[in-house]
Amino acid sequence: EDKVVQSPLSLVVHEGDTVTLNCSYEVTNFRSLLWYKQEKKAPTFLFMLTSSGIEKKSGRLSSILDKKELSSILNITATQTGDSAIYLCAVGEETSGSRLTFGEGTQLTVNP
Amino acid sequence: EPEVTQTPSHQVTQMGQEVILRCVPISNHLYFYWYRQILGQKVEFLVSFYNNEISEKSEIFDDQFSVERPDGSNFTLKIRSTKLEDSAMYFCASSEFLWGTQYFGPGTRLTVL
Repeated sequence: EDKVVQSPLSLVVHEGDTVTLNCSYEVTNFRSLLWYKQEKKAPTFLFMLTSSGIEKKSGRLSSILDKKELSSILNITATQTGDSAIYLCAVGEETSGSRLTFGEGTQLTVNP
Repeated sequence: EPEVTQTPSHQVTQMGQEVILRCVPISNHLYFYWYRQILGQKVEFLVSFYNNEISEKSEIFDDQFSVERPDGSNFTLKIRSTKLEDSAMYFCASSEFLWGTQYFGPGTRLTVL
């Protein structure tokens, strides 16, 4: 069965800290790995990583895909209270309907 | 910035009733999806839709579920006879390309009593 596992499941840090969130996957026909931020309701897109784009950066957030280790990390530097959210990892497969398989998410809490 | 919208934000229904959840995908997107998230659990894929046909569906998407694009802008999910276990947040998503980034709507919280 295809699987996406995130760790840690929850994390509490202080403003200014740097955090690293992990995602590992076992899927049959890997196509892409996506990171989303879920605050109240809708998952908001952060990054998509593929074989042709294994590293992405936007401001204080960055992500790397390790296709050999079947994993990805999401780094957030100089965390702010507004970074508090659930961070979801999802893997896209080369199926007919491009389904995404999600991990459980990491609940990040940034305290002032 | 274009976004996916969903209505209603919260729907309460009695077991056995039919519900229709509505979504307006981003206007130039061609691929549409439904996912659900039971409280405290993972987001799960239900179905993908392209060119007025289902492209792929999961084991969850049984005969009580159906999808439709009734006009050029709406995309709907119908649950024919709701069960208690259908209570969940239902997310609509859309993408421009087959394996493009999927953008999610705010969700409809369905509560089946």
